[in-house]
Amino acid sequence: DAGITQSPRHKVTETGTPVTLRCHQTENHRYMYWYRQDPGHGLRLIHYSYGVKDTDKGEVSDGYSVSRSKTEDFLLTLESATSSQTSVYFCAIRPDSGGGNTIYFGEGSWLTVV
Amino acid sequence: SQKIEQNSEALNIQEGKTATLTCNYTNYSPAYLQWYRQDPGRGPVFLLLIRENEKEKRKERLKVTFDTTLKQSLFHITASQPADSATYLCALGSRAGSYQLTFGKGTKLSVIP
Repeated sequence: DAGITQSPRHKVTETGTPVTLRCHQTENHRYMYWYRQDPGHGLRLIHYSYGVKDTDKGEVSDGYSVSRSKTEDFLLTLESATSSQTSVYFCAIRPDSGGGNTIYFGEGSWLTVV
Repeated sequence: SQKIEQNSEALNIQEGKTATLTCNYTNYSPAYLQWYRQDPGRGPVFLLLIRENEKEKRKERLKVTFDTTLKQSLFHITASQPADSATYLCALGSRAGSYQLTFGKGTKLSVIP
């Protein structure tokens, strides 16, 4: 158990509405990541963070923003949700020590944009 | 552009046999490679990591090889069991300090009793 909690786990929202997904970790590791997983594409990196207020874009960052005001929380925001953002979103962390370069995933957040 | 290919979307194998999954990549020079297991409705779970200067790694019934010349990794499950049925993901590790992983699309393994 990597101590990662994602919320909400399931959400249905309407096109054009803002949505925020939360990732909470209990171990205060520096590196946190948001991935999305879609059939035919696999897991793709959206944004990542390497510390409080330190974030950077991944492969598919358009339409997403992130914030990290506390070490334990990494928020992913869809400012105006579109149907193409219907996906499963996974948060992940990389332990600061002892884990090598392994990252550990949360259980996912299923988002449907109608 | 960078490309990662896992040999097939689905692989069926008889219980007790060795399952071999393939991960090929192009336009990439990974520092390490990882394999993950993912069950339906769950997040990926780390299995094995192999670095660019390593040829082979083993863990119980699992074995991973890494050939940087062929740009290929093979993932073997020996004496496969129905409980091994899952999707297996290959992931390449970046040399950058961000520890980013780039994933393949996965191979769904079904072990038939």
